[in-house]
Amino acid sequence: SQTIHQWPATLVQPVGSPLSLECTVEGTSNPNLYWYRQAAGRGLQLLFYSVGIGQISSEVPQNLSASRPQDRQFILSSKKLLLSDSGFYLCAWRPPGSNQPQHFGDGTRLSIL
Amino acid sequence: AQTVTQSQPEMSVQEAETVTLSCTYDTSESDYYLFWYKQPPSRQMILVIRQEAYKQQNATENRFSVNFQKAAKSFSLKISDSQLGDAAMYFCALETSGSRLTFGEGTQLTVNP
Repeated sequence: SQTIHQWPATLVQPVGSPLSLECTVEGTSNPNLYWYRQAAGRGLQLLFYSVGIGQISSEVPQNLSASRPQDRQFILSSKKLLLSDSGFYLCAWRPPGSNQPQHFGDGTRLSIL
Repeated sequence: AQTVTQSQPEMSVQEAETVTLSCTYDTSESDYYLFWYKQPPSRQMILVIRQEAYKQQNATENRFSVNFQKAAKSFSLKISDSQLGDAAMYFCALETSGSRLTFGEGTQLTVNP
């Protein structure tokens, strides 16, 4: 069966520090991968999605970037974090070329001090 | 652009009773999918139910059912025989071409014993 892993679960970082959040999917090949951010008490906002290695689409211009160095690995990064980057970050996947629902990881709670 | 509106920030229901959560959406596309996701305090995003726009029949999953009114662009969720474990934030979401999910702002459901 397919599983999705996100880490870390919780992260506290100072303003101006770098960021790297990782997401991996097991049990499938060439998944579509997504990064979402959820501000406190709000809905999810799509940040990036990828349909293949090295293919990244950005939905919202911001301080963050995404990379897909391997088929089932999706990384969210920042060179210098801002206070506004605080939030809950969720990774999701779905089978390629399908209409199946997206499946979400457990998320990372990011606090910027 | 797609929009999803959940006009009820909070709802409450007595255990064993029925509650309906409202959702309206807007899209210019004719082919799309609608979802309800549940987010308990653990922050996991759990798929509750899915509706294909081309299907007139309302989707049902055990105690969860939807009232899909395509002309009115309305997609409400009915929870029957509410249980304490149903307490969560519920998000309505719209997916159009390109696999982009647009979420509403959520409805916090409280279940009273």
